[in-house]
Amino acid sequence: DAGITQSPRYKITETGRQVTLMCHQTWSHSYMFWYRQDLGHGLRLIYYSAAADITDKGEVPDGYVVSRSKTENFPLTLESATRSQTSVYFCASTDPDSNQPQHFGDGTRLSIL
Amino acid sequence: GQNIDQPTEMTATEGAIVQINCTYQTSGFNGLFWYQQHAGEAPTFLSYNVLDGLEEKGRFSSFLSRSKGYSYLLLKELQMKDSASYLCAVGDTGFQKLVFGTGTRLLVSP
Repeated sequence: DAGITQSPRYKITETGRQVTLMCHQTWSHSYMFWYRQDLGHGLRLIYYSAAADITDKGEVPDGYVVSRSKTENFPLTLESATRSQTSVYFCASTDPDSNQPQHFGDGTRLSIL
Repeated sequence: GQNIDQPTEMTATEGAIVQINCTYQTSGFNGLFWYQQHAGEAPTFLSYNVLDGLEEKGRFSSFLSRSKGYSYLLLKELQMKDSASYLCAVGDTGFQKLVFGTGTRLLVSP
């Protein structure tokens, strides 16, 4: 099915562990984004990518790593998870050439104990 | 700097009209977006304003005044299913990057 999918939907892990959140879109959108959503802060941009092999930092990039080897995938890795990274993570994509708004995945709820 | 303000919470009655305000001060401006987000779900796009004035889409309308750094989302004939958070976002550098406000939680009661 066309769309943007995130996996896993829920994840519990421990501090210090590495965890990777996956994002896959079937629209061939050039731009992809990672946000975190926390109470009182709203959606904050972590990293974004304009195309394969092109990534850039957003507002809150520390502690996160991204890659974009293929247009359709944009994984987000927490190299050494901390409790402050407990959050809901949303992936989004858009095609600027068609003036589309950003479309969001269903999110990953990540808890770090 | 980037600053987007919207009320934290609003309540309204089924069938009524509610206006959710958003004020912004951003270094760049390339349009203002409104998203709806039900609890536990993804944000979904509602409206986009890049020029001053009112955009109407069914029960929902959105207004923009660029000179005042102000927008509002107007919801008419409220239904219970409109209970959700409404996120105001400004397009920053280019259409692609968005800066979000903290969202307004709307509770519609019978």
